[in-house]
Amino acid sequence: AQSVTQLGSHVSVSEGALVLLRCNYSSSVPPYLFWYVQYPNQGLQLLLKYTTGATLVKGINGFEAEFKKSETSFHLTKPSAHMSDAAEYFCAVSNQGGKLIFGQGTELSVKP
Amino acid sequence: EAGVTQFPSHSVIEKGQTVTLRCDPISGHDNLYWYRRVMGKEIKFLLHFVKESKQDESGMPNNRFLAERTGGTYSTLKVQPAELEDSGVYFCASSQGGIFWGANVLTFGAGSRLTVL
Repeated sequence: AQSVTQLGSHVSVSEGALVLLRCNYSSSVPPYLFWYVQYPNQGLQLLLKYTTGATLVKGINGFEAEFKKSETSFHLTKPSAHMSDAAEYFCAVSNQGGKLIFGQGTELSVKP
Repeated sequence: EAGVTQFPSHSVIEKGQTVTLRCDPISGHDNLYWYRRVMGKEIKFLLHFVKESKQDESGMPNNRFLAERTGGTYSTLKVQPAELEDSGVYFCASSQGGIFWGANVLTFGAGSRLTVL
């Protein structure tokens, strides 16, 4: 069975500081991994995904994530936070049928 | 292109009543998914359509939930009769067809918030 754990339901950073949102997964097969973001009153929007190939994946809005098989991790980072990054972020793993298993979500707050 | 559209955006009903949620996927997307997020919990899979067929309905909570996808286009999710624990946000998502469903990117709608009193 697949599962996802996001460490920290709330993360607060200052504007300009590093953003690090942690995600660990469990999967018995090579995983497809995703990060989605949800802004208030909007649907989930894809930030980035890992399927195969390069383990460092770059996404939209300056975010990137690194797939580390040995650590079963897929942490999301951004060098410098912006006020507009305040949102809820979801890490997810997909099975071969396209069914997404989500983590609990991390609410990111950005302080001026 | 138009995105995934869901309505109503918010529905408030009494316990025991019936509610029908509708999802219009992106045109041409064979895969359609329903997910639900109960307050404070993670987003959970309900079911997956490929065109008009149910591919996987392992996440449907019980037989009070009925999903249909007419002609492989829009989908409805009916809850009858609604219970308090059905409150939450119901998300619909769609993706293109093809062999490697797992790698497909799902496009999500804004969700339908259901409140059962």
